[in-house]
Amino acid sequence: EPEVTQTPSHQVTQMGQEVILRCVPISNHLYFYWYRQILGQKVEFLVSFYNNEISEKSEIFDDQFSVERPDGSNFTLKIRSTKLEDSAMYFCASRVQGSYEQYFGPGTRLTVT
Amino acid sequence: GEDVEQSLFLSVREGDSSVINCTYTDSSSTYLYWYKQEPGAGLQLLTYIFSNMDMKQDQRLTVLLNKKDKHLSLRIADTQTGDSAIYFCAESPTTSGTYKYIFGTGTRLKVLA
Repeated sequence: EPEVTQTPSHQVTQMGQEVILRCVPISNHLYFYWYRQILGQKVEFLVSFYNNEISEKSEIFDDQFSVERPDGSNFTLKIRSTKLEDSAMYFCASRVQGSYEQYFGPGTRLTVT
Repeated sequence: GEDVEQSLFLSVREGDSSVINCTYTDSSSTYLYWYKQEPGAGLQLLTYIFSNMDMKQDQRLTVLLNKKDKHLSLRIADTQTGDSAIYFCAESPTTSGTYKYIFGTGTRLKVLA
């Protein structure tokens, strides 16, 4: 069964460094999402992406964040200058046109020290 | 604003039924989802219901929706130790053009043998 994959599973970085989290959505999906979950808190929506542009972003998704679909398979989330409070589990999700059901990857745990 | 609330923990004995509750606040029509997260894994869709429905049954899973109270429940019949996981309730308002999800905090279900 096709699935969303994410790499790495765990990323440790120092404050101020740039990180790129990678996702490979399901191949025929056209809508892509990033969510994050700070430990002990809710899963929060960050951004949605369709047709090579951001379709919606939350207040969390400030100028330090960017997303890109650099080729036909990858979908990346970049954090330019990480802060301690960026430490969280980041989930990628995708869905196919005509369905509202999102398929989630296993997540990347980001630890900022 | 949109908000989804869940209780944090539930403990049941193997073979008993589990009932996980969720409340939401969005007043528009919405899709409501239940996801399961096992340790180290992604979010697995269990079932979903549209806000104009009352009930949906799928094998051991029964979803009940009280539209007046905006209360959603997931009943797992004959709960097994393999059902131990975190269960997330999420809504996806149709007013959101991107069908982003709004998640609850998740309920940690522990099944005692």
